[in-house]
Amino acid sequence: GQSLEQPSEVTAVEGAIVQINCTYQTSGFYGLSWYQQHDGGAPTFLSYNALDGLEETGRFSSFLSRSDSYGYLLLQELQMKDSASYFCAVLNTGFQKLVFGTGTRLLVSP
Amino acid sequence: DSGVTQTPKHLITATGQRVTLRCSPRSGDLSVYWYQQSLDQGLQFLIQYYNGEERAKGNILERFSAQQFPDLHSELNLSSLELGDSALYFCASSPAGGPNEKLFFGSGTQLSVL
Repeated sequence: GQSLEQPSEVTAVEGAIVQINCTYQTSGFYGLSWYQQHDGGAPTFLSYNALDGLEETGRFSSFLSRSDSYGYLLLQELQMKDSASYFCAVLNTGFQKLVFGTGTRLLVSP
Repeated sequence: DSGVTQTPKHLITATGQRVTLRCSPRSGDLSVYWYQQSLDQGLQFLIQYYNGEERAKGNILERFSAQQFPDLHSELNLSSLELGDSALYFCASSPAGGPNEKLFFGSGTQLSVL
């Protein structure tokens, strides 16, 4: 089977840096994606890692270690609008589908 | 705006009833995915279609079925509804047949079964 683990909630203040971890267990691993979802909204794609290392996209970066079955999303210079749920998702070639974790709720306070 | 259109936005119905959720993918996208999101839950993959053919199946109940039409829009049919079927149902699309790491999600259909 497949499983992903993320913290259920993370809190931080404006301007800070926060890291959201994701560990996964799956066969036929292809890559790890990250999505953001505001309350009542649709998930939106943030980043994707297929190879080990760090991918940077503006204030957001994502990291993957295939040997450790681990990845994280790093959010810098936090803003109030970053308060949302963040989902990691495993792309698995064997099952032809994107499997999502249960999400991490990020609360950014002033 | 992702370009994926889902209708209706809200649906309230009773147990035992049948409903149909509709999804129009982004222009040019051939794949449609259906996901279910219950309260405080992650996104549960239901089913994927590519260019009219079923491509992958997830934890979709036998009471649920879907199809993708020649114009590429898709419908998710939920029958014999139960209280536990109340959830947000998302449709997503991508250009590829899969796997694809970047999906474009519609705004969802909130289903309430009373």
